[in-house]
Amino acid sequence: KNEVEQSPQNLTAQEGEFITINCSYSVGISALHWLQQHPGGGIVSLFMLSSGKKKHGRLIATINIQEKHSSLHITASHPRDSAVYICAVLFTGNQFYFGTGTSLTVIP
Amino acid sequence: NAGVTQTPKFRVLKTGQSMTLLCAQDMNHEYMYWYRQDPGMGLRLIHYSVGEGTTAKGEVPDGYNVSRLKKQNFLLGLESAAPSQTSVYFCASSRPVRGSPLHFGNGTRLTVT
Repeated sequence: KNEVEQSPQNLTAQEGEFITINCSYSVGISALHWLQQHPGGGIVSLFMLSSGKKKHGRLIATINIQEKHSSLHITASHPRDSAVYICAVLFTGNQFYFGTGTSLTVIP
Repeated sequence: NAGVTQTPKFRVLKTGQSMTLLCAQDMNHEYMYWYRQDPGMGLRLIHYSVGEGTTAKGEVPDGYNVSRLKKQNFLLGLESAAPSQTSVYFCASSRPVRGSPLHFGNGTRLTVT
């Protein structure tokens, strides 16, 4: 069964804190995406991973294929990082399966 | 750069009414998708299209129909709306390369009373 689980569901952090959001999936995958959904509702793609690690500014995404796990890290968090972060996984077909999202609030 | 545009942004329907949601993309993407987003659940695929004139069912297709008459447009229809179809609907598009990023519209919030 194609399952995607994210943790935590909700996260509150002080500005400047290091943040980690986790994504676990049930079976082997072709690719994993991290998405950001802004408070206004728009969704943007942050990273696509099939192995290893990617970095963009203060965001770092890692994936461990053997452990079926990916993490999204935010260094030096800022209130503008407040959003819902969604893990999307592509299993063997062409259909993405999505986690339920992690709602992040960064307090000044 | 318009990207993916959805209309309308909001709509309230009475049970049994019909409506069409329009999705337009200007990135020449082959693949287009319709998702629904409900509280406590991940985005779920309703229907998708891998090219002009072709459509396929996703995870939750019942009660919806779609058409892709032009490459840039993907329409989602509700023939007889039900309260269970109250949701936020997102259209997305991507290149025809496995694992390519999804480009999302800003969503349509639909309430069925």
